[in-house]
Amino acid sequence: AQTVTQSQPEMSVQEAETVTLSCTYDTSESNYYLFWYKQPPSRQMILVIRQEAYKQQNATENRFSVNFQKAAKSFSLKISDSQLGDTAMYFCAFLYGNKLVFGAGTILRVKS
Amino acid sequence: DTAVSQTPKYLVTQMGNDKSIKCEQNLGHDTMYWYKQDSKKFLKIMFSYNNKELIINETVPNRFSPKSPDKAHLNLHINSLELGDSAVYFCASRLTGSSYEQYFGPGTRLTVT
Repeated sequence: AQTVTQSQPEMSVQEAETVTLSCTYDTSESNYYLFWYKQPPSRQMILVIRQEAYKQQNATENRFSVNFQKAAKSFSLKISDSQLGDTAMYFCAFLYGNKLVFGAGTILRVKS
Repeated sequence: DTAVSQTPKYLVTQMGNDKSIKCEQNLGHDTMYWYKQDSKKFLKIMFSYNNKELIINETVPNRFSPKSPDKAHLNLHINSLELGDSAVYFCASRLTGSSYEQYFGPGTRLTVT
């Protein structure tokens, strides 16, 4: 079975600082996709970043980047220059077949 | 120009009632999903349709019945509602063979009293 583990239930960071959210997953597949989704208080699910497992290069989207360690099955999200608008629940997700398997989420609070 | 829309956004009803949630996407996607987010914010897939065909049916009580009249619509009907059905239900869609990204609707908060 595919599982996704986010070991940090809550985190906080000062505005303009950098924070890293952890995610590990378990799979026997060799080709797959990983995602980070953001869910602000509005509850809309917003895609932050995605990573194809066959790509060695870590994905980057503006202030968001990932550290993808395939052998360790680790997929952490780094947020640089944190902004108040980054306050949200962040979900790591693994695409298995045709369905997304989500981690339990990490609540991130950005403080001014 | 809403991509994935759901109606209603909020639904409050009593135990034992039957209710439906509708989902529509205008992205030209061919696969649609229903997810349930419980009170602890845990998200789990319930169903998926591809071109109106059911392709994923997780362990969900048969009181839940999805229906896809066409590729752009996926509805969820729930019979004999129970307190434990209270949750946020998300619809999502994607285009197979693309970047595998799923686009989510705004969610429907269902409260059963």
